[in-house]
Amino acid sequence: EVQLLESGGGLVQPGGSLRLSCAASGFAFSSSAMGWVRQAPGKGLEWISSVNTRGETKHYADSVKGRFTISRDNSKNTLYLQMNSLRAEDTASYYCAKDSIFGMDLWGRGTTVTVSS
Amino acid sequence: DIQMTQSPSSLSASVGDTVTITCRASQTIETYLNWYQQEPGKAPKLLIYAASSLQDGVPSRFSGSGSETDFTLTIASLQSEDFATYYCQQSYSTPFTFGPGTRVDIK
Repeated sequence: EVQLLESGGGLVQPGGSLRLSCAASGFAFSSSAMGWVRQAPGKGLEWISSVNTRGETKHYADSVKGRFTISRDNSKNTLYLQMNSLRAEDTASYYCAKDSIFGMDLWGRGTTVTVSS
Repeated sequence: DIQMTQSPSSLSASVGDTVTITCRASQTIETYLNWYQQEPGKAPKLLIYAASSLQDGVPSRFSGSGSETDFTLTIASLQSEDFATYYCQQSYSTPFTFGPGTRVDIK
């Protein structure tokens, strides 16, 4: 089955860290650019990061630049998002998606991150 | 960064209606414009890519048009399953910004 499955969300204190994972199956992960999108409670979608097929080229939204790091392990068909220096405003559902200039055509179900003391 | 706006922010419609949602980019994005549908509690779903290309499996009542800075999503003969929030997104340059969304409610 073609799918993406996020994990690693949870409750973390402000200033803390969390690593999200996204396990891919059913498609050629190593040939696909990937990205992360988040959605704060009751708000719209925010694109936050993307990485090319080999993991060499990475892009970030200004809101997470310098705090979040995207990476991938093609041998494990897994995408990661390392989140450091977390803030209350990072509270959101985080989705991974297969990314391209022709849109994000496959999404995971999301994982929830709550930043609170 | 490219800013995306959508109008209206919400609308009410009946089953069978034709609905049009507009998206505008702050600078030209050629036709690097995508449309998504999101139902409450679910992940977004790609409907239209490259402004007017229908994603596989998406009903033909959905259509997109436009180029440069002005784009439109049209839903013909609205069905009950179409009541959702719709987002545009530019994929011309990073950050690949989304519009704020348009919620389509049942009248």
